[in-house]
Amino acid sequence: AQKITQTQPGMFVQEKEAVTLDCTYDTSDPSYGLFWYKQPSSGEMIFLIYQGSYDQQNATEGRYSLNFQKARKSANLVISASQLGDSAMYFCARAGGTSYGKLTFGQGTILTVHP
Amino acid sequence: DTGVSQDPRHKITKRGQNVTFRCDPISEHNRLYWYRQTLGQGPEFLTYFQNEAQLEKSRLLSDRFSAERPKGSFSTLEIQRTEQGDSAMYLCASSLDGARNSPLHFGNGTRLTVT
Repeated sequence: AQKITQTQPGMFVQEKEAVTLDCTYDTSDPSYGLFWYKQPSSGEMIFLIYQGSYDQQNATEGRYSLNFQKARKSANLVISASQLGDSAMYFCARAGGTSYGKLTFGQGTILTVHP
Repeated sequence: DTGVSQDPRHKITKRGQNVTFRCDPISEHNRLYWYRQTLGQGPEFLTYFQNEAQLEKSRLLSDRFSAERPKGSFSTLEIQRTEQGDSAMYLCASSLDGARNSPLHFGNGTRLTVT
């Protein structure tokens, strides 16, 4: 199985500080996509950011950026200026091959933002 | 855009009973996905539809599970003869198409408890 690994079960950050959530992946597909989703305690999965394997630049969406290192097969999420509302579970996911909606998710990282 | 809606939000049933969940995707989205999420884990892919055609099913989807999308709009997921191991959150998602950068938009899920 082509796995997604999130090695940090939990992370803590002070409000207004930056935090990096780690994600590494396996793949044999030449073309693939990487996604990050946020899941608050209410349960909904919220799309944050996307990185394509052939994209030349790292993706950014507001306070979210993706540190994509293709050779290392890592796609770390960076959240700048953390807010209390960022406290949630964060999932890294990979799509590849012919089924781009068929995502393989990691086990997630629980982020807690302290005031 | 009212988002992806799922009904019911919670379902408690006794082992051996049949249950059916409904998902209404974002109206212009032609792809619809079902995922299952157990406590502390990332979502796992179950199946997906392109319009009314079911294009792929996971090995996780035993023959007790059936999904339909009869008119290419809403979808139902039925579980027959429920087992305690079926207890999980069932997530529905939709996307505009299967393009690599077309993110999945998830509903709030249906939490199933089998007693």
